[in-house]
Amino acid sequence: TQLLEQSPQFLSIQEGENLTVYCNSSSVFSSLQWYRQEPGEGPVLLVTVVTGGEVKKLKRLTFQFGDARKDSSLHITAAQPGDTGLYLCAGESFQKLVFGTGTRLLVSP
Amino acid sequence: GAVVSQHPSRVICKSGTSVKIECRSLDFQATTMFWYRQFPKQSLMLMATSNEGSKATYEQGVEKDKFLINHASLTLSTLTVTSAHPEDSSFYICSARAVNEKLFFGSGTQLSVL
Repeated sequence: TQLLEQSPQFLSIQEGENLTVYCNSSSVFSSLQWYRQEPGEGPVLLVTVVTGGEVKKLKRLTFQFGDARKDSSLHITAAQPGDTGLYLCAGESFQKLVFGTGTRLLVSP
Repeated sequence: GAVVSQHPSRVICKSGTSVKIECRSLDFQATTMFWYRQFPKQSLMLMATSNEGSKATYEQGVEKDKFLINHASLTLSTLTVTSAHPEDSSFYICSARAVNEKLFFGSGTQLSVL
Protein backbone atom coordinates (compact mmCIF):
# COMPACT_ATOMS: atom_id res chain seq x y z
CA THR A 1 0.00 0.00 0.00
CA GLN A 2 1.37 3.36 -0.98
CA LEU A 3 1.24 5.92 1.78
CA LEU A 4 1.55 9.65 1.50
CA GLU A 5 2.19 11.26 4.86
CA GLN A 6 1.46 14.93 5.23
CA SER A 7 2.79 17.18 7.94
CA PRO A 8 1.63 18.97 9.88
CA GLN A 9 -1.81 17.42 10.28
CA PHE A 10 -3.24 20.68 11.54
CA LEU A 11 -1.98 24.23 11.39
CA SER A 12 -3.53 27.30 12.95
CA ILE A 13 -1.89 30.61 12.06
CA GLN A 14 -2.58 34.32 11.90
CA GLU A 15 -3.24 36.20 8.70
CA GLY A 16 0.00 37.30 7.05
CA GLU A 17 2.12 34.41 8.26
CA ASN A 18 3.94 32.02 5.97
CA LEU A 19 3.62 28.24 6.14
CA THR A 20 4.87 25.07 4.51
CA VAL A 21 3.07 21.76 4.20
CA TYR A 22 5.04 18.62 3.47
CA CYS A 23 4.00 15.48 1.65
CA ASN A 24 6.31 12.47 1.95
CA SER A 25 6.30 8.93 0.66
CA SER A 26 8.65 6.03 0.16
CA SER A 27 7.10 5.43 -3.26
CA VAL A 28 7.89 7.11 -6.55
CA PHE A 29 5.01 8.77 -8.35
CA SER A 30 4.68 9.67 -12.01
CA SER A 31 3.04 12.90 -10.94
CA LEU A 32 1.86 14.58 -7.80
CA GLN A 33 -1.11 16.83 -7.35
CA TRP A 34 -2.21 19.24 -4.66
CA TYR A 35 -5.86 19.82 -3.85
CA ARG A 36 -7.84 22.01 -1.52
CA GLN A 37 -11.12 20.80 -0.13
CA GLU A 38 -13.88 22.73 1.61
CA PRO A 39 -16.27 20.95 4.02
CA GLY A 40 -19.00 19.04 2.20
CA GLU A 41 -17.43 19.48 -1.22
CA GLY A 42 -15.16 17.58 -3.53
CA PRO A 43 -11.45 18.44 -3.74
CA VAL A 44 -10.36 21.16 -6.14
CA LEU A 45 -7.12 20.74 -8.05
CA LEU A 46 -4.50 23.41 -7.36
CA VAL A 47 -1.53 22.12 -9.30
CA THR A 48 0.09 19.08 -10.88
CA VAL A 49 3.85 18.54 -10.78
CA VAL A 50 5.45 15.97 -13.01
CA THR A 51 9.20 16.47 -13.21
CA GLY A 52 11.57 15.80 -10.31
CA GLY A 53 12.75 19.11 -8.86
CA GLU A 54 9.94 21.02 -10.52
CA VAL A 55 8.74 24.22 -8.88
CA LYS A 56 5.40 25.80 -9.72
CA LYS A 57 3.95 29.03 -8.45
CA LEU A 58 0.29 29.92 -8.21
CA LYS A 59 0.02 33.46 -6.83
CA ARG A 60 1.04 33.13 -3.17
CA LEU A 61 1.36 29.34 -3.37
CA THR A 62 4.63 27.64 -4.31
CA PHE A 63 4.72 23.93 -5.02
CA GLN A 64 7.85 21.81 -5.28
CA PHE A 65 8.29 18.21 -6.38
CA GLY A 66 11.24 16.36 -4.89
CA ASP A 67 14.12 15.33 -7.11
CA ALA A 68 13.32 11.65 -6.58
CA ARG A 69 9.60 12.24 -7.14
CA LYS A 70 8.75 10.83 -3.72
CA ASP A 71 7.91 14.01 -1.86
CA SER A 72 6.51 17.45 -2.34
CA SER A 73 5.93 20.68 -0.47
CA LEU A 74 3.43 23.49 -0.57
CA HIS A 75 4.48 26.90 0.67
CA ILE A 76 1.97 29.68 1.23
CA THR A 77 3.19 33.24 1.59
CA ALA A 78 1.23 35.81 3.59
CA ALA A 79 -1.66 33.47 4.35
CA GLN A 80 -5.18 34.86 4.24
CA PRO A 81 -8.40 33.65 5.90
CA GLY A 82 -9.57 32.54 2.47
CA ASP A 83 -6.75 29.98 2.44
CA THR A 84 -8.46 28.06 5.23
CA GLY A 85 -9.28 24.51 4.21
CA LEU A 86 -8.05 20.95 3.94
CA TYR A 87 -4.97 20.60 1.74
CA LEU A 88 -4.37 17.22 0.18
CA CYS A 89 -1.48 15.92 -1.83
CA ALA A 90 -2.14 13.02 -4.15
CA GLY A 91 0.27 10.80 -6.04
CA GLU A 92 -0.47 9.20 -9.37
CA SER A 93 0.73 5.64 -9.75
CA PHE A 94 -0.47 2.92 -12.10
CA GLN A 95 -3.39 5.06 -13.25
CA LYS A 96 -4.67 5.54 -9.69
CA LEU A 97 -4.61 8.60 -7.50
CA VAL A 98 -3.64 7.99 -3.88
CA PHE A 99 -4.32 10.81 -1.44
CA GLY A 100 -2.15 11.98 1.41
CA THR A 101 -3.27 12.12 5.01
CA GLY A 102 -4.25 15.77 4.70
CA THR A 103 -3.35 19.05 6.38
CA ARG A 104 -6.07 21.15 7.88
CA LEU A 105 -5.20 24.85 7.74
CA LEU A 106 -6.94 27.56 9.73
CA VAL A 107 -5.99 31.15 9.07
CA SER A 108 -7.40 33.63 11.54
CA PRO A 109 -7.89 37.33 10.78
CA GLY B 1 -14.65 23.29 -17.88
CA ALA B 2 -15.47 19.64 -17.46
CA VAL B 3 -18.10 18.87 -14.86
CA VAL B 4 -18.79 15.75 -12.86
CA SER B 5 -22.23 15.62 -11.31
CA GLN B 6 -22.80 13.51 -8.24
CA HIS B 7 -26.28 12.76 -6.96
CA PRO B 8 -27.67 12.89 -4.36
CA SER B 9 -25.55 15.37 -2.44
CA ARG B 10 -26.97 14.18 0.84
CA VAL B 11 -28.95 11.11 1.85
CA ILE B 12 -30.28 9.83 5.14
CA CYS B 13 -31.46 6.26 5.31
CA LYS B 14 -32.47 3.61 7.80
CA SER B 15 -30.13 0.80 8.72
CA GLY B 16 -30.58 -2.19 6.42
CA THR B 17 -31.66 -0.25 3.35
CA SER B 18 -29.64 0.17 0.17
CA VAL B 19 -28.56 3.50 -1.23
CA LYS B 20 -27.51 4.29 -4.80
CA ILE B 21 -25.18 7.16 -5.64
CA GLU B 22 -24.77 8.35 -9.21
CA CYS B 23 -21.71 9.90 -10.80
CA ARG B 24 -22.10 11.48 -14.23
CA SER B 25 -19.60 13.17 -16.48
CA LEU B 26 -21.67 15.91 -18.07
CA ASP B 27 -19.61 17.08 -21.03
CA PHE B 28 -17.00 14.41 -21.59
CA GLN B 29 -16.64 10.67 -21.81
CA ALA B 30 -15.00 9.06 -18.81
CA THR B 31 -12.97 5.99 -19.56
CA THR B 32 -12.40 5.39 -15.89
CA MET B 33 -14.20 6.48 -12.76
CA PHE B 34 -13.00 6.23 -9.20
CA TRP B 35 -14.92 6.03 -5.94
CA TYR B 36 -13.52 7.41 -2.71
CA ARG B 37 -14.75 7.44 0.87
CA GLN B 38 -13.89 10.13 3.36
CA PHE B 39 -14.56 9.95 7.09
CA PRO B 40 -14.77 13.15 9.16
CA LYS B 41 -11.48 14.98 9.46
CA GLN B 42 -9.72 12.34 7.37
CA SER B 43 -8.39 12.10 3.85
CA LEU B 44 -9.94 10.41 0.82
CA MET B 45 -9.53 6.66 0.66
CA LEU B 46 -9.79 5.00 -2.73
CA MET B 47 -12.46 2.32 -2.69
CA ALA B 48 -12.55 1.10 -6.26
CA THR B 49 -11.72 1.81 -9.87
CA SER B 50 -14.54 1.51 -12.34
CA ASN B 51 -14.05 0.93 -16.07
CA GLU B 52 -16.91 1.14 -18.52
CA GLY B 53 -18.27 -2.25 -19.47
CA SER B 54 -16.11 -4.26 -17.09
CA LYS B 55 -16.07 -5.24 -13.45
CA ALA B 56 -14.78 -2.74 -10.96
CA THR B 57 -11.44 -3.25 -9.28
CA TYR B 58 -11.72 -2.92 -5.51
CA GLU B 59 -9.00 -1.82 -3.14
CA GLN B 60 -7.87 -4.12 -0.39
CA GLY B 61 -10.33 -4.25 2.47
CA VAL B 62 -13.31 -2.96 0.50
CA GLU B 63 -16.15 -5.46 0.26
CA LYS B 64 -17.33 -5.76 -3.32
CA ASP B 65 -20.65 -7.30 -2.28
CA LYS B 66 -21.25 -4.41 0.07
CA PHE B 67 -20.34 -1.66 -2.34
CA LEU B 68 -21.73 -2.52 -5.76
CA ILE B 69 -20.33 -0.51 -8.62
CA ASN B 70 -21.85 -0.36 -12.09
CA HIS B 71 -20.23 1.54 -14.92
CA ALA B 72 -22.86 1.07 -17.61
CA SER B 73 -21.81 3.85 -19.95
CA LEU B 74 -18.95 6.24 -20.60
CA THR B 75 -20.77 8.96 -18.69
CA LEU B 76 -22.31 7.16 -15.73
CA SER B 77 -21.07 5.10 -12.82
CA THR B 78 -23.15 4.14 -9.82
CA LEU B 79 -22.18 3.06 -6.33
CA THR B 80 -24.78 1.13 -4.34
CA VAL B 81 -24.22 0.72 -0.63
CA THR B 82 -26.16 -2.44 0.16
CA SER B 83 -27.75 -3.11 3.54
CA ALA B 84 -26.27 0.08 4.91
CA HIS B 85 -25.29 0.30 8.57
CA PRO B 86 -24.28 3.29 10.70
CA GLU B 87 -20.59 2.52 10.17
CA ASP B 88 -21.12 3.10 6.44
CA SER B 89 -21.98 6.72 7.18
CA SER B 90 -19.39 8.73 5.32
CA PHE B 91 -18.73 11.23 2.56
CA TYR B 92 -18.51 9.42 -0.78
CA ILE B 93 -16.76 11.15 -3.70
CA CYS B 94 -16.40 10.06 -7.30
CA SER B 95 -13.93 11.20 -9.90
CA ALA B 96 -13.84 10.71 -13.64
CA ARG B 97 -10.85 10.48 -15.93
CA ALA B 98 -11.27 12.01 -19.35
CA VAL B 99 -9.64 10.78 -22.55
CA ASN B 100 -6.98 13.49 -22.16
CA GLU B 101 -6.09 11.87 -18.81
CA LYS B 102 -7.34 14.79 -16.76
CA LEU B 103 -9.23 13.92 -13.61
CA PHE B 104 -12.37 15.67 -12.42
CA PHE B 105 -14.10 15.27 -9.08
CA GLY B 106 -17.73 15.23 -8.13
CA SER B 107 -19.02 17.34 -5.26
CA GLY B 108 -19.58 14.35 -3.00
CA THR B 109 -22.46 12.58 -1.28
CA GLN B 110 -22.93 12.69 2.46
CA LEU B 111 -24.47 9.41 3.58
CA SER B 112 -25.97 9.17 7.04
CA VAL B 113 -27.30 5.81 8.16
CA LEU B 114 -29.58 5.87 11.19
